[in-house]
Amino acid sequence: QKEVEQDPGPLSVPEGAIVSLNCTYSNSAFQYFMWYRQYSRKGPELLMYTYSSGNKEDGRFTAQVDKSSKYISLFIRDSQPSDSATYLCAIKGGFKTIFGAGTRLFVKA
Amino acid sequence: GAVVSQHPSWVICKSGTSVKIECRSLDFQATTMFWYRQFPKQSLMLMATSNEGSKATYEQGVEKDKFLINHASLTLSTLTVTSAHPEDSSFYICSPLSGTYNEQFFGPGTRLTVL
Repeated sequence: QKEVEQDPGPLSVPEGAIVSLNCTYSNSAFQYFMWYRQYSRKGPELLMYTYSSGNKEDGRFTAQVDKSSKYISLFIRDSQPSDSATYLCAIKGGFKTIFGAGTRLFVKA
Repeated sequence: GAVVSQHPSWVICKSGTSVKIECRSLDFQATTMFWYRQFPKQSLMLMATSNEGSKATYEQGVEKDKFLINHASLTLSTLTVTSAHPEDSSFYICSPLSGTYNEQFFGPGTRLTVL
């Protein structure tokens, strides 16, 4: 079993839609949860960072963590074509960061 | 925000040659450097971790004699792919860890194509 599972997609939505991206993880020792956005042929950039269960909001983005279910989500409201990218979840415990496979998102104008 | 540069951004080389990739943290010091490899439509796979002035620690399955890592200063690390083969073709991304912010930043990546 992979330590982090993420559906690779692709996920295609119309502009303005609410997007839900999800990951599950297996090791409850991991304490920090991140979402990265990666445009084609670019390095990942950090979007959201949280360490507790619950929701964290930043503009159109909301990160949700449910430690009891080992489930993390990223919601994008009012999605824009510029949101088209690959979104990677990542979990961190101590020194080690493990990335999900990434979900490719396409937002159609 | 933190700025990380990688050079070159892309490189094509012949099989058997060596390629050096440079990673620089431009406005912060990186006590630790992570090097990742990413194949198409796959996630980042950690290759090795290095601390400034120390030997790198390689992940299982990564050949240390093939992927030479030098972390000579707090702002510069290099990855040299020696005797490259077509299966080494990939996207290589460095990720310096900022000691100040305790956050990993990522370089823009280097796309290596070995013919």
